Amino acid sequence: NAGVTQTPKFRVLKTGQSMTLLCAQDMNHEYMYWYRQDPGMGLRLIHYSVGEGTTAKGEVPDGYNVSRLKKQNFLLGLESAAPSQTSVYFCASSYGGFSYEQYFGPGTRLTVT
Amino acid sequence: AQSVAQPEDQVNVAEGNPLTVKCTYSVSGNPYLFWYVQYPNRGLQFLLKYITGDNLVKGSYGFEAEFNKSQTSFHLKKPSALVSDSALYFCAVRDAGGATNKLIFGTGTLLAVQP
Repeated sequence: NAGVTQTPKFRVLKTGQSMTLLCAQDMNHEYMYWYRQDPGMGLRLIHYSVGEGTTAKGEVPDGYNVSRLKKQNFLLGLESAAPSQTSVYFCASSYGGFSYEQYFGPGTRLTVT
Repeated sequence: AQSVAQPEDQVNVAEGNPLTVKCTYSVSGNPYLFWYVQYPNRGLQFLLKYITGDNLVKGSYGFEAEFNKSQTSFHLKKPSALVSDSALYFCAVRDAGGATNKLIFGTGTLLAVQP
């Protein structure tokens, strides 16, 4: 099993450009999450999904959109990138909700200039 | 509101010595507590969790953590540190009875084990 995979691994965007980060999991997990990791701030939840076709806002959702059209995939979109969105983005999945251990992908390092 | 604190940005320990990485939390109800480890340029990996039951929780790679309700702490411990344990460690908490459906992560503690 590949577990949780993320593409791309690195990306540089100019302010105002858009992009989509793809997350895929092969563990048949219901829950999927998008986090951002910034120095000295730990991980912060952007959006999450409790199942195919559902999405919900996390702690820092502004400037991001998500979609979960298939159970195994969770997409994170930036419609108009800003320098404040420079970060490392992690996708995770879990069998159940927030009481279950989460499995993380390797991350995407995004720089917005 | 739920919160978690890792008071030490970095912990230094010699190989073979015991290690402790501290975590304190604040929730309104009963806590669900987790430890994760992050190696350089990798995603987080689950180490152990406390939901209920025995206050001493054993996890992966020889790590354990002790839940202390009175001190609202969940410190990570290992009897004998290895150089390969050097990594960034995150404590996380969820309020079992809270209305907020999320897991709060601490800011992380960098563990450096010297040979």
